[in-house]
Amino acid sequence: AQRVTQPEKLLSVFKGAPVELKCNYSYSGSPELFWYVQYSRQRLQLLLRHISRESIKGFTADLNKGETSFHLKKPFAQEEDSAMYYCVPEAGGGNKLTFGTGTQLKVEL
Amino acid sequence: DAGVTQSPTHLIKTRGQQVTLRCSPKSGHDTVSWYQQALGQGPQFIFQYYEEEERQRGNFPDRFSGHQFPNYSSELNVNALLLGDSALYLCASKTVSPGGYTFGSGTRLTVV
Repeated sequence: AQRVTQPEKLLSVFKGAPVELKCNYSYSGSPELFWYVQYSRQRLQLLLRHISRESIKGFTADLNKGETSFHLKKPFAQEEDSAMYYCVPEAGGGNKLTFGTGTQLKVEL
Repeated sequence: DAGVTQSPTHLIKTRGQQVTLRCSPKSGHDTVSWYQQALGQGPQFIFQYYEEEERQRGNFPDRFSGHQFPNYSSELNVNALLLGDSALYLCASKTVSPGGYTFGSGTRLTVV
């Protein structure tokens, strides 16, 4: 079965501290992996895509196929990073996205 | 570019009624997917439309149906509404090429 596990429902860090949002997936084939983010009172939006290897808003994510993990990292958390983060595999061919329950990141001053 | 637009933003319906939700994809996008997001949960895939056909379907009953029009806009229809259908319904669009989806703000459906 296709499954995404984000073990932390809520993650609190202090401003300036490193952030790591964990994601493990169980998926047949080779899914494309994304992180989506939802800021308060805003729509879901794409944060980054593993295949492009970009760094967006200081976030990076490394795909580890052996561990089937795709953890999201940022060296120094900012207050504006507070949001709900979803790790999302996409089935081959641009089909459905599989969302987990997400991780609520709270950056405290 | 307005991105993905959905209408209405909020809706209240009675059990047993039928509802139609609408979605206009982002300009240049031809693939539309619908998701249901219950409170405190991640979005769940309902179905995807491309070239006016349903291409893939999630674990939702036949009460949930959809349509895509030649201009790529889409509708989600839900018949015989149940209290459990109360949720935020999200529309997302993309091109057929690999890449991320663009999401709309959603329609908040409340069934009473």
